Amino acid sequence: NAGVTQTPKFRILKIGQSMTLQCTQDMNHNYMYWYRQDPGMGLKLIYYSVGAGITDKGEVPNGYNVSRSTTEDFPLRLELAAPSQTSVYFCASSFEGGGTEAFFGQGTRLTVV
Amino acid sequence: GDSVTQMEGPVTLSEEAFLTINCTYTATGYPSLFWYVQYPGEGLQLLLKATKADDKGSNKGFEATYRKETTSFHLEKGSVQVSDSAVYFCALSRGGGADGLTFGKGTHLIIQP
Repeated sequence: NAGVTQTPKFRILKIGQSMTLQCTQDMNHNYMYWYRQDPGMGLKLIYYSVGAGITDKGEVPNGYNVSRSTTEDFPLRLELAAPSQTSVYFCASSFEGGGTEAFFGQGTRLTVV
Repeated sequence: GDSVTQMEGPVTLSEEAFLTINCTYTATGYPSLFWYVQYPGEGLQLLLKATKADDKGSNKGFEATYRKETTSFHLEKGSVQVSDSAVYFCALSRGGGADGLTFGKGTHLIIQP
């Protein structure tokens, strides 16, 4: 089982460029999440989705957009990249919310210069 | 809002030492509590969890007990190994909540041979 797969693993962007971080899961999970991890700050929720066609903002959504057209895929779009978006991004999925286990991808390390 | 506070790192121990990583939380209702572990260059993996008061989660020799009276979920292991070196995150999820996990800042554990 592949679990949660993120691409790319590393990327350098110039200020003002755009990109899409890809995330796909093969566990038929309804719930999917995007987090960012900054040094010494833990993980912060950017966006989440409880099923295809349904998305909602998390704690730090500004500068990002998401879509969920299928159960498997949950891409994260960065428009007009800024240095403040330099971070490690993790996609996760879970069968349900609440007390169920979340499965994480290996992360995308993004640097904006 | 919800929050998780865990001890700052890095924590450096010798092999076979006893480990405690403190974690306290603030949340409305009855959250589920988790410990996740992140090995270098990887995503987070669930280590253990507890979904109600007085529950004890355990895995790979690690244990944590959900203490509602002290709002705590401290992680313990009787004898650590070099392979336990990683970053440990305490996290909570509100019961039935779809809006992801609230994480502590993480504790970097270093085990020396």
